[in-house]
Amino acid sequence: AQSVTQPDARVTVSEGASLQLRCKYSYSATPYLFWYVQYPRQGLQLLLKYYSGDPVVQGVNSFEAEFSKSNSSFHLQKASVHWSDSAVYFCALSPSGTYQRFGTGTKLQVVP
Amino acid sequence: EAAVTQSPRNKVAVTGGKVTLSCNQTNNHNNMYWYRQDTGHGLRLIHYSYGAGSTEKGDIPDGYKASRPSQENFSLILELATPSQTSVYFCASGGLGESSYEQYFGPGTRLTVL
Repeated sequence: AQSVTQPDARVTVSEGASLQLRCKYSYSATPYLFWYVQYPRQGLQLLLKYYSGDPVVQGVNSFEAEFSKSNSSFHLQKASVHWSDSAVYFCALSPSGTYQRFGTGTKLQVVP
Repeated sequence: EAAVTQSPRNKVAVTGGKVTLSCNQTNNHNNMYWYRQDTGHGLRLIHYSYGAGSTEKGDIPDGYKASRPSQENFSLILELATPSQTSVYFCASGGLGESSYEQYFGPGTRLTVL
């Protein structure tokens, strides 16, 4: 079975603090992995992707994610969050490079 | 830049009525997808297409049909709408080769079935 688990439905961090949003996947091989961000009343926008190679991938707006095969994880990180980072973040996997399976999302709230 | 548009953006339908959601992409992508988004479920794949004339069932196809009459257009059809189909629907497109792994999303259609 192919699935993605985002264990934290909501995360609250202070502006300027570091951030980690967790993502665990279930797949027999190495999947293609993605992080998307969704702002209110908008579609999803790609933050970053992992296909192979260096397990740390850089994305837009200073986000990065680290792939761990041993832990079946693909956690999203940011060194210093800004209020504008408040949004819903989705982790997704693509087993075949076509359709994607999404996690349930993590709502990030950045407080002053 | 990739562009995916959806119409209508908001729709109120009656139970038992027919609803058609439309999606248009100007990316010349082969692959197109329909998802629905519900609280607690994330996005779930309804139907997808590899090109004009093709449609494939996703994870939750029951109660939905899809139509891909051209490269640019992909429709989702609810023949007999039910209140359980109240949701936000997203269309996405994906390109060729490795770029097909990335998906570009439309702004969504909010459907309410009364």
